[in-house]
Amino acid sequence: AQTVTQSQPEMSVQEAETVTLSCTYDTSESDYYLFWYKQPPSRQMILVIRQEAYKQQNATENRFSVNFQKAAKSFSLKISDSQLGDAAMYFCALYSGGGADGLTFGKGTHLIIQP
Amino acid sequence: ETGVTQTPRHLVMGMTNKKSLKCEQHLGHNAMYWYKQSAKKPLELMFVYSLEERVENNSVPSRFSPECPNSSHLFLHLHTLQPEDSALYLCASSQDWDPLEKLFFGSGTQLSVL
Repeated sequence: AQTVTQSQPEMSVQEAETVTLSCTYDTSESDYYLFWYKQPPSRQMILVIRQEAYKQQNATENRFSVNFQKAAKSFSLKISDSQLGDAAMYFCALYSGGGADGLTFGKGTHLIIQP
Repeated sequence: ETGVTQTPRHLVMGMTNKKSLKCEQHLGHNAMYWYKQSAKKPLELMFVYSLEERVENNSVPSRFSPECPNSSHLFLHLHTLQPEDSALYLCASSQDWDPLEKLFFGSGTQLSVL
């Protein structure tokens, strides 16, 4: 069975600073995909960024970037120039095949932005 | 707005009640999902429908009964629930039944079972 672990239940950062959210995972598959989803107070989860395991280059979407360490099975999310609108729950997820059941989410990290 | 609408936003029900959750997507997607989000637990997939046919059922208790009358609507019928069923129930859709497809989520129904 695959697992996704987010060891930080809550993180806090000053506005305009940079914050990194941690995620580690475990899977026996060699081909898989990793995601970060954001859930703001509106409760609608939104895909932030996606990484294919076969790609060595780290994915980037504007102020959001990942540090993908395949050997260490680590997939952290870096948010640069934090904004108040970044305050949300962030979920790391892993897909390694097996249909929709193969998408596994972590428990989430609550990100607080201090003005 | 993600194009996925869920009603009601909040629901409180007794253990003997029967209620239904509704989800509607305006994106022309072919796949729809029900997820359960409990406090301090990972998101759990409950049901998946692709082109109105159920394709995944993750050993969900029979007190949860999904219905997909067309590709735009998804219901979750609830009866004789237990207090541990209290959670946020999220509906999602994607273009096709493929977890690699971007999921579009609704705002969820916060359910409390008394």
